Amino acid sequence: NAGVTQTPKFQVLKTGQSMTLQCAQDMNHNSMYWYRQDPGMGLRLIYYSASEGTTDKGEVPNGYNVSRLNKREFSLRLESAAPSQTSVYFCASSDEQFSSYEQYFGPGTRLTVT
Amino acid sequence: GEDVEQSLFLSVREGDSSVINCTYTDSSSTYLYWYKQEPGAGLQLLTYIFSNMDMKQDQRLTVLLNKKDKHLSLRIADTQTGDSAIYFCAESNGDNAGNMLTFGGGTRLMVKP
Repeated sequence: NAGVTQTPKFQVLKTGQSMTLQCAQDMNHNSMYWYRQDPGMGLRLIYYSASEGTTDKGEVPNGYNVSRLNKREFSLRLESAAPSQTSVYFCASSDEQFSSYEQYFGPGTRLTVT
Repeated sequence: GEDVEQSLFLSVREGDSSVINCTYTDSSSTYLYWYKQEPGAGLQLLTYIFSNMDMKQDQRLTVLLNKKDKHLSLRIADTQTGDSAIYFCAESNGDNAGNMLTFGGGTRLMVKP
């Protein structure tokens, strides 16, 4: 049981390049999330998916797109990377069956855009 | 929108107690959480408290909730060097689609030997 996995762990992009961050969970959770973490700002929600087939914008969705490929996988795409998107990206999952609504986090992807 | 605030930094000596504070604005918060992030890692849930509770104790951790003042604290007894990390307070109101959390900016705890 690996929990939440993310690839890649590190990535450097040039301005204007595109890339997709991958996330998968093996806990059969319904909900999945993408956050970005910037120094002193905590985690900010980019997009989330409450269930397979649905996605919704979070606090900071501009410049990103997501795909909930199936129940396990939730990808985040940067179509045209900008230096402002330099950040650490975390994927998380949760299941409303657990009343505490705990979210389980992946190890993160550190992205640098030059 | 909802807001969660924390102080940025706390330094304590090994063996002392640490108290990390958090304030929030959402009066409909249902659950409040403390997450721990060690260097280079994701967040790991330490403990949580339901909003109708005042206190929750779990081994060295004590969570106090003052719902009237919207104030949450995490006390770590007998703090060890392994407790050095960033601690995030978060809240949810539990009935929104996707169970979204709002996080504070994190408190960096440094434990000196």
